[in-house]
This record gives sequence, structure tokens and C-alpha cells, in this order.
Amino acid sequence: GESVGLHLPTLSVQEGDNSIINCAYSNSASDYFIWYKQESGKGPQFIIDIRSNMDKRQGQRVTVLLNKTVKHLSLQIAATQPGDSAVYFCAESSNDYKLSFGAGTTVTVRA
Amino acid sequence: SQTIHQWPATLVQPVGSPLSLECTVEGTSNPNLYWYRQAAGRGLQLLFYSVGIGQISSEVPQNLSASRPQDRQFILSSKKLLLSDSGFYLCAWATSYPGELFFGEGSRLTVL
Repeated sequence: GESVGLHLPTLSVQEGDNSIINCAYSNSASDYFIWYKQESGKGPQFIIDIRSNMDKRQGQRVTVLLNKTVKHLSLQIAATQPGDSAVYFCAESSNDYKLSFGAGTTVTVRA
Repeated sequence: SQTIHQWPATLVQPVGSPLSLECTVEGTSNPNLYWYRQAAGRGLQLLFYSVGIGQISSEVPQNLSASRPQDRQFILSSKKLLLSDSGFYLCAWATSYPGELFFGEGSRLTVL
């Protein structure tokens, strides 16, 4: 089946710096993408989403970029804070209600 | 507002014992419901989803089954647990596409 994956399993970032988390997907029919944050022992929480008719979307301190040509998705976190330490998942869907998740990137914020 | 409840939060069961995890959603009607499993340090694997009462779709062959006896209730079951059934089980719901899935807090199952 199609897969969604992340380029790096871990990311260490200095507090106050910007973070970039990358994700590759293989299903060219995917039309909806979403980023989740998961803290230890908890369910994933929505961060931001983007539809395939867009290439950029901004939220509070976060930006998602979508490059459909190379099937690449990224999440940028501005001014990373200790509370941003978590596992981040990208997920994709292709015109249905099922989300396929990548393996996740663990972000650690250094004080 | 909508809420999702999932229980029990933790469960330790012997191999061969039965399993029942429950999930209920409040504040919405006719949601799509999902069961995901997350192995330690891994991503989320979709196990089952349901678009209505009594309608269950299975994504992967396994030792588990799901049922939806009521509109906002989703149950994950097994007759005989295997060691490989250990993991973090997450229930989720959604009402529109495209749109996010709202996850519960999860149930951690350890099979010994």
C-alpha cells in the first residue's frame, strides 16, 4: 500500500530556534495532509492541516508547506519552546476518511 | 462541545484472555469512528473504522474485532489475546472530510 514517512526520527533544537520537520509521502492521489503532536502517554493533538490545492498554510507559530511535485510536506515551528517537545506525525488521506500516519519525529528542545 | 471517552486507560492481561476496550463520543451525531494501534516508538496503524451503526471495515488481518452497537459507541475486542496485541490503542472520530480526526487519550494494553 501507499506509505507516509518522515525523513528523520529525531530532532534536537535549541530553545528559541526554528524547527523544521519533514515528511515524504508516496500516494500521488493524496489530497489532504495533517500534522499531529503527541506527548508521552497521550492521544495525538491536531496542529495544522493543508489541502492539496494549497502549498502553504500558517497557524500560530506553525507553518505547513506542501510540495506536490516531490511529494514532500514540512512543518515549521517558530521560536521553539520547551512545551514543543513531543513526537510529531504527518498524515495523509486521499479523498476518503482514513488517515495514514508516518512513523513520527521526536523533537527535543534544549534549554 | 464534543468529547471522546476511552477506557480503560491501562490494562495488563495474560495471553489467551479476552479483551474489551470501549470508546464513546459525546456532542456529535453519526460520526466516523476509528481504532488505531501504536506500537512502542512507532506510528499509528489503522485497525478498524466505521461509518455507521453495525458497519465495520477492517484494515489489517489480526486477532481483533470491532463493533458499533450504538451511533457513538465503538468497541474493540478479542477472544484470545496474543503477546503481539500489546500496544497503545487510540479511538478517534471525525464528521467531515477533509477534516481532522479527534483522538481519545488512549488505552495502553500489556499482554504478558
